[in-house]
Parts: sequence; C-alpha cells; structure tokens
Amino acid sequence: EIVLTQSPATLSLSAGERAALSCRASRSLGTDLAWYQHKPGQAPRLLIYDASNRAPGVPARFSGSGSGAAFTLTIYSLEPGDSAVYYCQQRSTSFGPGTKVEMK
Amino acid sequence: EVQVVESGGGLVQPGSSLRLSCEASRFTFDDSVIHWVRQAPGKGPEWVSSFNWISTAVDYADSVKGRFTVSRGTARNSLYLQMSSLRHEDSALYYCAKTPFYYNSGILFWGQGTVVSVSS
Repeated sequence: EIVLTQSPATLSLSAGERAALSCRASRSLGTDLAWYQHKPGQAPRLLIYDASNRAPGVPARFSGSGSGAAFTLTIYSLEPGDSAVYYCQQRSTSFGPGTKVEMK
Repeated sequence: EVQVVESGGGLVQPGSSLRLSCEASRFTFDDSVIHWVRQAPGKGPEWVSSFNWISTAVDYADSVKGRFTVSRGTARNSLYLQMSSLRHEDSALYYCAKTPFYYNSGILFWGQGTVVSVSS
C-alpha cells in the first residue's frame, strides 16, 4: 500500500504570496499524482492531474511539479478564495492527509 | 454541463445493506472511469472504488473489499454501489465521480454526494 504524506499541515499566508505544498509517496508513482482543492460544503475540485497538467478551467497560478515520490503544488499569488484544504491523491485512489491553506 | 447525481443514501442499522445509485446527465459513462469516494464528518476524502466502464475492471479499498460491489446499470449512464454488512465507520457522504479513461490520476467530475448514516 502506498502512503502519502503532506506538509506542512497548515500554511498561513497573505494575499499575493506564493504557497508551496509538498506531497511525498512511500514509493515511486511516476507522474500518477493529482491535486485537489476542497472547501467546506463542496465536492473536491480537481486542480492538477498526472502531476503537472492543469484540469480544465483551473487558473494558471496553480502549478504542479514533481515525479517519482516527491511532488509540489505551487499556488502563485494567493487570493482570498484560495483558502481551503488541499489534498494529493495517488493514481485516483488513496488521498494524503491534506494541507490547510489559510489567509492571514 | 457535465452532471453526476448520486442517490440512495439514508439511515440504516449496522449489518444492513444499502444500494447507492449514480447517474450521469448529458453524457454517458462510455469513455470513463467512475469512482466512489466518501468523506466522513471532519475527515478527509477516502477512495472507495473505481470502475473502468471500457474494460469493466473494478478496484476496491481494503476497508470495503468483500462488502461493497459496483455494478453497471442497463443504461450507459448509470452505476450502482451495493453496500452490505454496513458498519458505523461506513457513515459518510458518498460521492460518485467520473474521469476520462486517459487520465492516469485525478477525478474530474464530481456529484454533490449522498449521505449514508449507519447507527443503531
């Protein structure tokens, strides 16, 4: 079973700053990793698929990178609406524990 | 607009069964992998099952293997999740979601979910 770990658990930043979220897998995934944004009362929203491809309609300030066992979601120029929990997911199966992004 | 709608949730006793339905509007599941994902209150999402409409291959999380079964409906836009031997820990909001078969990771279209509560 592949285990995903995410860091940090919480990220508190100001609008306009850059957020870097990490996801590490217990073994190599190649590029089979996705990122989601999840807000209360809503279904998760796919941001990035296959490590670095933005899902349709996702703004360019969301960027995914990495391969193997280490991946990063970068949110350039944070906006207030970006407050949410961000999850990584391996191969459309198990999810990581999440990183909460909150605005200062 | 692509829509996925879940139904069939409810309050049931431990050990009982329940069948959830997933229907797509304005498209079929022909080119898709359809997933069930659940989220318990205060917890993160948990993948439950994936069904490849083209190959009919199906995978289950270890936590539901042997108790949950995915099946296709007769229409090309319906799927079912048969849940048996339900436990308290199966209580959650259950999402049905679909993704194009050529995505190696990531689930693109999500429904709004149906609530399953298992309680005596």
